[in-house]
Amino acid sequence: DTGVSQNPRHKITKRGQNVTFRCDPISEHNRLYWYRQTLGQGPEFLTYFQNEAQLEKSRLLSDRFSAERPKGSFSTLEIQRTEQGDSAMYLCASSLGGSAETQYFGPGTRLLVL
Amino acid sequence: DAKTTQPPSMDCSEGRAANLPCNHSTISGNEYVYWYRQIHSQGPQYIIHGLKNNETNEMASLIITEDRKSSTLILPHATLRDTAVYYCIGYFGNEKLTFGTGTRLTIIP
Repeated sequence: DTGVSQNPRHKITKRGQNVTFRCDPISEHNRLYWYRQTLGQGPEFLTYFQNEAQLEKSRLLSDRFSAERPKGSFSTLEIQRTEQGDSAMYLCASSLGGSAETQYFGPGTRLLVL
Repeated sequence: DAKTTQPPSMDCSEGRAANLPCNHSTISGNEYVYWYRQIHSQGPQYIIHGLKNNETNEMASLIITEDRKSSTLILPHATLRDTAVYYCIGYFGNEKLTFGTGTRLTIIP
């Protein structure tokens, strides 16, 4: 069990560019969550997957955001035409599901849009 | 999910017990109380959770009042590495976690 990993850890991009983040969950975890965290705030939910199915999306997830989990393993989060307001820490978590499931978080990807 | 209320900040001396309170007066009967912490620039770390009974693990103890309207997270012997933001969350499971702004705990040498 190597924990949840995220890549890259840091990303600096110019406004208008596209960026993609990757999350590798704990093996055998069938649920995968994406959260976003801005300075001074707690993480906010973006979307989650059970296996390869995307089951819920937050209103925070505008049309410029898309997430995939093609084979029910790793997941990618893409932001198109980035804006300065997209600057945040993007966190991934995974869990086994079930009652009282515990979500385990990765280290996050910190995005800065210039 | 139950709305939780936590003090914005607390200090604790190194080596002493840190007691972090959380109010969750609207918690539902089958809603768990979860605690996470977030050390600066890292992802949240799971600490402990409970439903009705008090719980203890290698990291902390969780004391839940009989009416379940409040709880206290106890770090028995705080170290400098325990400096973090601590989040108390009401959670049914199988859904998103709803974080508040938590309690910023500072351990003082």
